[in-house]
Amino acid sequence: AQSVTQLDSHVSVSEGTPVLLRCNYSSSYSPSLFWYVQHPNKGLQLLLKYTSAATLVKGINGFEAEFKKSETSFHLTKPSAHMSDAAEYFCVVSDGNYGQNFVFGPGTRLSVLP
Amino acid sequence: GAVVSQHPSRVICKSGTSVKIECRSLDFQATTMFWYRQFPKQSLMLMATSNEGSKATYEQGVEKDKFLINHASLTLSTLTVTSAHPEDSSFYICSARDPLGWPVYEQYFGPGTRLTVT
Repeated sequence: AQSVTQLDSHVSVSEGTPVLLRCNYSSSYSPSLFWYVQHPNKGLQLLLKYTSAATLVKGINGFEAEFKKSETSFHLTKPSAHMSDAAEYFCVVSDGNYGQNFVFGPGTRLSVLP
Repeated sequence: GAVVSQHPSRVICKSGTSVKIECRSLDFQATTMFWYRQFPKQSLMLMATSNEGSKATYEQGVEKDKFLINHASLTLSTLTVTSAHPEDSSFYICSARDPLGWPVYEQYFGPGTRLTVT
């Protein structure tokens, strides 16, 4: 069975400083991994996904994530935070066989201070 | 990109009534759709998997007689909350699986429906 741990429930950064949102996963299969962002009362938007083609994945809005199998991690980073990045971020794991089920992490709320 | 819509975006109903939420894939055919529930400040919990033309598969603990799911066409799945009670108040989100995404079957999410039962 798959599971996801997001180590920080809340991260607060100043505008213009780097962002690091941590995610560790557990999977019996070769996992597919995703990061989604959710702004208040909105649906989910895909930031990026890991498809086993490359361990460093670049996404939208300057975000990227690195898949590290040895550490079972898929941390999300951004070099410089913007006020509009304030939102809830979810790390998601899906099993490699047909990706039938998504398992969501508990989420990390990112606050960006002016 | 693939778009999934939900209707309504918000609904308020009285306790004991039923509410239907629609989920549509607008520019692709979705043989598999998913329904999630999200409580305030919490993560998404999968309620059920809906396959076109067959019965939905419910997650453990989800009452299938209370949350009726119908996936009658390749672009529409509906969730009906029957005899709603205040504890059913929540944010309901649907998603549709990308049919062409092998081996990574991405899901496209709808904007969600806020249900309030009074």
